Amino acid sequence: NAGVTQTPKFQVLKTGQSMTLQCAQDMNHEYMSWYRQDPGMGLRLIHYSVGAGITDQGEVPNGYNVSRSTTEDFPLRLLSAAPSQTSVYFCASSTLPGTSNTEAFFGQGTRLTVV
Amino acid sequence: LAKTTQPISMDSYEGQEVNITCSHNNIATNDYITWYQQFPSQGPRFIIQGYKTKVTNEVASLFIPADRKSSTLSLPRVSLSDTAVYYCLVGDYNFNKFYFGSGTKLNVKP
Repeated sequence: NAGVTQTPKFQVLKTGQSMTLQCAQDMNHEYMSWYRQDPGMGLRLIHYSVGAGITDQGEVPNGYNVSRSTTEDFPLRLLSAAPSQTSVYFCASSTLPGTSNTEAFFGQGTRLTVV
Repeated sequence: LAKTTQPISMDSYEGQEVNITCSHNNIATNDYITWYQQFPSQGPRFIIQGYKTKVTNEVASLFIPADRKSSTLSLPRVSLSDTAVYYCLVGDYNFNKFYFGSGTKLNVKP
C-alpha cells in the first residue's frame, strides 16, 4: 500500500516558469489537500478538495491552481513561479472530515526552489 | 475557526513523561482535537485524536477537560527518537479545512 505519493521530490524552477506537482493516493479517500511549509514554520493550507470535481481555497491560494478529475489524483499547478513560492509542499489525503478518527496521511513532500 | 496556541519549544530527557498543552478557546461544538508529529524532511504523521475526556493509544494519551478549551498530549517515557515538532489541530470539520499552527518543537536529550 503506497499511501500518498508525491512527485517530484526536488525541483528547481526559474522565475516565471510553470510546473505541476503531482499527488496520488491509493486509499480511496475523498478529502485531499495541499500545504506549503516554509523553513521553521508550520504548514499552511493552499487548496483542498472534498471529492472529484470539487475544489476550494485554503489560507494561501494565490499563485496556485488545482483540479480533481479523479479520486486518486490532486495535482497542484504553479502558474508563474516566484521566489516567494520557494518552500516544501505536502499533499495529504483523508476520509471526509465531519466524523471522528479523521486521520490525514501525508506524502513525503516536494522541495521546490525558485531562482 | 478555532485558533490554537502551543509552546514554541520544550526540552526533556530520555525516560521522562512529556506533556504538551494546547489552548483552543474558540473550539466549536463539532470540532475534534487532533495531534500530529513531524520529523525533519518528512510529512506530518497522525498521533491521536479526541473529542472529550481522555483518549489513549499505543503511543500517547490525550487529555481534554470538560470545557474543551485546552488539551494536553502526553508522551510516556520519551526517547531520543521522539525529538520532533508536535502540532495541535482543531479541525474546522464543518468546512472541511484543517489548519496547522506553528507547533511545539520537542527536544529530547540523553
